[in-house]
Formats: sequence, C-alpha cells, structure tokens
Amino acid sequence: GAGVSQSPRYKVAKRGQDVALRCDPISGHVSLFWYQQALGQGPEFLTYFQNEAQLDKSGLPSDRFFAERPEGSVSTLKIQRTQQEDSAVYLCASSLKTGTTEAFFGQGTRLTVV
Amino acid sequence: AQSVTQLDSQVPVFEEAPVELRCNYSSSVSVYLFWYVQYPNQGLQLLLKYLSGSTLVKGINGFEAEFNKSQTSFHLRKPSVHISDTAEYFCAVRMKAAGNKLTFGGGTRVLVKP
Repeated sequence: GAGVSQSPRYKVAKRGQDVALRCDPISGHVSLFWYQQALGQGPEFLTYFQNEAQLDKSGLPSDRFFAERPEGSVSTLKIQRTQQEDSAVYLCASSLKTGTTEAFFGQGTRLTVV
Repeated sequence: AQSVTQLDSQVPVFEEAPVELRCNYSSSVSVYLFWYVQYPNQGLQLLLKYLSGSTLVKGINGFEAEFNKSQTSFHLRKPSVHISDTAEYFCAVRMKAAGNKLTFGGGTRVLVKP
C-alpha cells in the first residue's frame, strides 16, 4: 500500500479482554516500531523490529504486552487481560532501513478499555 | 537516556502571525532531532529533521527550525501561520550511535484563530 495501515482504527474492549492490533508497514520497509500515545501526551516507544527480529522491547509496560512480526512484514501487537490504563492510541511506524531514514507513521488504533 | 521538553502545551496564535514552538532536549550522547505534526485523528507526519551540517533546517509547509547545541534546543518557527496549521506538534530525538527509537516531547497544541 501507499502508507502504513493499521487496523482496527477504533477498538473498545471490556476490562480483562484480550486484543490484537495489526500493522501493515510500507512494502519493503525493514524497520517497524510500535508506540503508545496516552491522551494529551507524546508517543512513547514500545518495541522495535528489524525484519522479523525483535531487537528492542524495552518499552513494553508489562508482560501482558506482546508483539510479533513473524515474516518480517505485518506486525501484531497483542495485549492480554486489558486494563483501563491500557486505553491509548497505538501507533505503528516503519522505515526503509536502519539509520537516518524517515519513519512513516500509521493513523493509529484508538483502544478504549471499559 | 534522552528526554525532550516542550515548554508550551498550548499556543494560540492569530492567522498570518508568526509562531515559535520551543523544544529543549537532554542527552548524554549525540542525537538527531525531529519535528512532527499530528492533525486530528491522524498519524504523525515529519515536518523537518536535523542530522548534521547547517543548524538552520527548512521543512515542509513553510516551517523551519534551528539547532542550538550549547542550549540543547531545537525551536520550530513559522513566519506566517494559516488556519490549516492548527494541529499538535511534537519534537523528538533519536540517538546517533545505536537504536532507532524516537523519544518524544509532550507536544504543543497550536490553535490558529482567524
């Protein structure tokens, strides 16, 4: 596709429910990032993939958060047993390669936990 | 570790007036610097970046920013704003040496009034 695509755009989950958020990066982009953006705040780094390898997961807030990119393209961010504090916009970004190239962001998935 | 401070959470400005958004950063290593814009319900779009060379960087939509190493600042400016510049603006840094993740400031909401 022309840009980074995320689905669903909006997700309402009941507390305790598991959710899966999908990111389709720009074709051929090696690097993929997930960020969490709470209301009124800047995005915060969650995790980073280079191809299928998860090189940095230091930003994942708890072991309820899990990300994968099994074939080096599409990525899924999974949140188990969602809690109200997980409510945020989850942004995915991709870049052609590591280094100084620009990261392109998707529109995000707004997760609301009720 | 890096941190980014955007001193103004909101900046109201009249159409055709100039605007300056302030950004200061803290880092123990050399960094690249970025400004992103986020329109309502959209992802982040890169406005401009400083990698090296001239400290005055020009970006899209008439924006420019100046890197000041001694003051660890990267303020964003536009000489004459339009209604369409109403958005949230994020300053971000990324380590040069290793890793690709961005560290964002808290954002500045610009409201352009007619």
